Amino acid sequence: AQRVTQPEKLLSVFKGAPVELKCNYSYSGSPELFWYVQYSRQRLQLLLRHISRESIKGFTADLNKGETSFHLKKPFAQEEDSAMYYCALSSYTGNQFYFGTGTSLTVIP
Amino acid sequence: NAGVTQTPKFQVLKTGQSMTLQCAQDMNHNSMYWYRQDPGMGLRLIYYSASEGTTDKGEVPNGYNVSRLNKREFSLRLESAAPSQTSVYFCASSDRTLANTGELFFGEGSRLTVL
Repeated sequence: AQRVTQPEKLLSVFKGAPVELKCNYSYSGSPELFWYVQYSRQRLQLLLRHISRESIKGFTADLNKGETSFHLKKPFAQEEDSAMYYCALSSYTGNQFYFGTGTSLTVIP
Repeated sequence: NAGVTQTPKFQVLKTGQSMTLQCAQDMNHNSMYWYRQDPGMGLRLIYYSASEGTTDKGEVPNGYNVSRLNKREFSLRLESAAPSQTSVYFCASSDRTLANTGELFFGEGSRLTVL
């Protein structure tokens, strides 16, 4: 069965500090991993996907198949990064997307 | 483009009442989804439709029914609402094919309270 685990419900960091949001997954196959973000009063939206290997708004995430992790990182947090972040998983051929429980990030000025 | 549009945005029901949440997308996407968002539970898939004319259960389908009316529209019905169905409901769509990783596009959400 597919499962996405985000161990931290709440995370607070100071502005300028590094931030890491953890995501672990279990999946019997080749997964696609995503990070979605929900800013206050905005729609849930895609932040980045592992297959693109890109940096969005300074965030990066590397898929570690050995540790089954897809942690989201940013070297210097900004106040506008405060939001709810969801890690999600899907299969290359499937139509279902499974989400973790989310991490609420607060960046303290 | 409006993207994904959900109605209503807010609704209060009494236990046992029925209602339908409407969702429409204008992106010509094949796949559509209904999720519920609860504190500490994240987003849980209720039902999805991989293409027009097909629907499948997700993780938490009990108490819900869906209709994929056409390619644009995917409705979620609560036949007899229960307090446990108090939640924020999100509709999403995706252009998912084998050659496409398929990003999810979300609606603004519908906040439902069952008294």
